[in-house]
Amino acid sequence: GQQVMQIPQYQHVQEGEDFTTYCNSSTTLSNIQWYKQRPGGHPVFLIQLVKSGEVKKQKRLTFQFGEAKKNSSLHITATQTTDVGTYFCAGGRNTGGFKTIFGAGTRLFVKA
Amino acid sequence: EAGVAQSPRYKIIEKRQSVAFWCNPISGHATLYWYQQILGQGPKLLIQFQNNGVVDDSQLPKDRFSAERLKGVDSTLKIQPAKLEDSAVYLCASSPRQGTAARTDTQYFGPGTRLTVL
Repeated sequence: GQQVMQIPQYQHVQEGEDFTTYCNSSTTLSNIQWYKQRPGGHPVFLIQLVKSGEVKKQKRLTFQFGEAKKNSSLHITATQTTDVGTYFCAGGRNTGGFKTIFGAGTRLFVKA
Repeated sequence: EAGVAQSPRYKIIEKRQSVAFWCNPISGHATLYWYQQILGQGPKLLIQFQNNGVVDDSQLPKDRFSAERLKGVDSTLKIQPAKLEDSAVYLCASSPRQGTAARTDTQYFGPGTRLTVL
């Protein structure tokens, strides 16, 4: 079945360092969504990418969707302690029904 | 706009007991999802409703889990009987639509119900 793999599983950074998480799908996606889950909280939608090669920015966050629509990345520039949490990618696919499959997430730890 | 409501927030039961969770999606949202999130893992879809019809329940353990969405609004998820491995957070999410031809829809999550099975 369709798999959405996410790496790394964990990342420890010093405040001010950059952070990147990568998402890879075994099949072509119609879209990719990114969610953030703070410790003890629930996933909160960040952004959606639909087009091949698309790049979107939200302040210090940069999201990319691969040309083949099979991979995506989230890059945070100059991390802050408020960035702490788990970042999930969620691949969307329309195969006789709309399905979204979440990756396992990358947990980000930021040391002040 | 009120968010997705879930209750209870926490539940502790013994194995082989039954439990039910309730979800009230955002008003007007057609699609409702139930996810199971085991500690340290991503959300795993259990069942997806479009209005009051089931769109996907392929990962729902139907021998013990059941869900319904009467009148296409609120939903309940039941586990009967519970097993130790059912300990997890059960998340409900809703979205305005099922999706379009180009993409799946943004999901809005509730706070979740943390279930502990002893």
